[in-house]
Amino acid sequence: GQSLEQPSEVTAVEGAIVQINCTYQTSGFYGLSWYQQHDGGAPTFLSYNALDGLEETGRFSSFLSRSDSYGYLLLQELQMKDSASYFCAGGDSSYKLIFGSGTRLLVRP
Amino acid sequence: DAMVIQNPRYQVTQFGKPVTLSCSQTLNHNVMYWYQQKSSQAPKLLFHYYDKDFNNEADTPDNFQSRRPNTSFCFLDIRSPGLGDAAMYLCATSRRTDRSYEQYFGPGTRLTVT
Repeated sequence: GQSLEQPSEVTAVEGAIVQINCTYQTSGFYGLSWYQQHDGGAPTFLSYNALDGLEETGRFSSFLSRSDSYGYLLLQELQMKDSASYFCAGGDSSYKLIFGSGTRLLVRP
Repeated sequence: DAMVIQNPRYQVTQFGKPVTLSCSQTLNHNVMYWYQQKSSQAPKLLFHYYDKDFNNEADTPDNFQSRRPNTSFCFLDIRSPGLGDAAMYLCATSRRTDRSYEQYFGPGTRLTVT
């Protein structure tokens, strides 16, 4: 089976940079995805890492290290609208996603 | 715009009264998923379809059933809702299984059980 652990909450200031970590234990692993979910909204796809290294998409970057079973989401130039929950998710051989516990990001002015 | 649509957005049902939630998609994706999400928790996969092939999670209660009559539509049936089934139910799609990491979610149906 799989389990993905994240910090429950992170607070940062508008304009700053924040990193949300994700560690995983899995018997089969095909890559790490990141999703954003605003309160009352649906999860939306942010990024995916199939290989080790950094993937950049605008203000968001995601990193994966398979040898360390670890990844992170990096958000730069934080905006108030980035306040949301962020989930890492692992894909397994059955082509399902198992979501991490989620990190609630609070951006302060 | 291509999208995933869920109806109704809010559903109130009585304890033990069967309820059906619906999902439709205009993305023409062949994989559809149903998730249950409780407050401040991660989405929990209930089952998924690859075309018409049904895949049930081992810990999904028998109380939950699903139907996919065609590519566009998928239904979640809760046969005898209990108070513990109150949650947001999310439908999602992906283009194919090798792109399951990128799923498109509908807005969800919030189920209240009285």
